[in-house]
Amino acid sequence: GDSVTQMEGPVTLSEEAFLTINCTYTATGYPSLFWYVQYPGEGLQLLLKATKADDKGSNKGFEATYRKETTSFHLEKGSVQVSDSAVYFCALSERNNQGGKLIFGQGTELSVKP
Amino acid sequence: ETGVTQSPTHLIKTRGQQVTLRCSSQSGHNTVSWYQQALGQGPQFIFQYYREEENGRGNFPPRFSGLQFPNYSSELNVNALELDDSALYLCASSLIGGGAGGELFFGEGSRLTVL
Repeated sequence: GDSVTQMEGPVTLSEEAFLTINCTYTATGYPSLFWYVQYPGEGLQLLLKATKADDKGSNKGFEATYRKETTSFHLEKGSVQVSDSAVYFCALSERNNQGGKLIFGQGTELSVKP
Repeated sequence: ETGVTQSPTHLIKTRGQQVTLRCSSQSGHNTVSWYQQALGQGPQFIFQYYREEENGRGNFPPRFSGLQFPNYSSELNVNALELDDSALYLCASSLIGGGAGGELFFGEGSRLTVL
């Protein structure tokens, strides 16, 4: 079945460092891909998404490019801030899914130190 | 804030008991999905409700059941609780027809502990 694999955390960075969180997926067909973020004590929030190959999703300085050839959707940010400390989840949705069923990775905890 | 509210936020039950969790969808959304998030894991899809009927189910036993009401609010019921049911239960609302994949809006969750 479909699955998502993320790099294990926790990831600890200093403020203004470059961030990469790796995400690869296995899916039949052409899924939509998502990054969700979970701040401490809060629910999941959509960070960015891409719905077809070579699309780049971006938001709040974060970017991820849908790479069909490598089945990847790595999350990057050029300069992280303490406020970016959270757990990040990569997820996929089948293209014909009308909404509701996402398959999530296990999450990667990011800790940014001042 | 997403506009999705869940209750209760925390609860403790003993093995064999039953629990009901509640969710109010974001205004204008017609679909509710429920997820189970074990500690240190990603959320796992339980089921989705659309127009008051189950519209997709993950790999969960029948003792996990749900309801969606005409105002699109929803309940998750779990019977015969087991220790492994201890988790954060997340509700998410969305709009069918809102595009490929459809963005989900999550509540903050109900944390269930089974002793």
